[in-house]
Amino acid sequence: SQQGEEDPQALSIQEGENATMNCSYKTSINNLQWYRQNSGRGLVHLILIRSNEREKHSGRLRVTLDTSKKSSSLLITASRAADTASYFCATGSGGGADGLTFGKGTHLIIQP
Amino acid sequence: DAGVIQSPRHEVTEMGQEVTLRCKPISGHDYLFWYRQTMMRGLELLIYFNNNVPIDDSGMPEDRFSAKMPNASFSTLKIQPSEPRDSAVYFCASSLVSRAEAFFGQGTRLTVV
Repeated sequence: SQQGEEDPQALSIQEGENATMNCSYKTSINNLQWYRQNSGRGLVHLILIRSNEREKHSGRLRVTLDTSKKSSSLLITASRAADTASYFCATGSGGGADGLTFGKGTHLIIQP
Repeated sequence: DAGVIQSPRHEVTEMGQEVTLRCKPISGHDYLFWYRQTMMRGLELLIYFNNNVPIDDSGMPEDRFSAKMPNASFSTLKIQPSEPRDSAVYFCASSLVSRAEAFFGQGTRLTVV
């Protein structure tokens, strides 16, 4: 079953603009991760934020986590055409499960 | 390390045939996961192993699906008999520890006709 739900399902912006994607989840988490998937390829890990963290940065990526609202956001600044991909949030359970539960993703298109 | 390696990349088979998907995880990773991706259902966790032992197979859709991990460097996902609704991309992923960053293979695109 889906734990994370990304919003929006699709997003199209101009190169150079910022892109923001949101993720909501339902149960307690140990951590939340964001992945990127280029067409026809496997998922690539971008960033992990732990449940006791509120914000994390990695290059042009900024992730926030609000555990009270059970939500996270991924901001990509100064977008590039190469950022065109699907972006997924994944949650690591706060319970005993070892696997990650993925949302259905946001498809991001960067217009050159 | 070459990353997680899956084979074949593409598989087309007829309904009723047996299909075997293969995965070589990253050396030293204790966890191996099998996921299935479809447009309708997104990414679904089918089964995962810890130190070669199956831990949770509750995501396996039917008894037609089985998975094994005979050693730390190899796992298989078998579908017997295959059906058209099994058509999907199947991913194998591995991670060092529980709930950590997962490293995905390139996937196997399965088409059952």
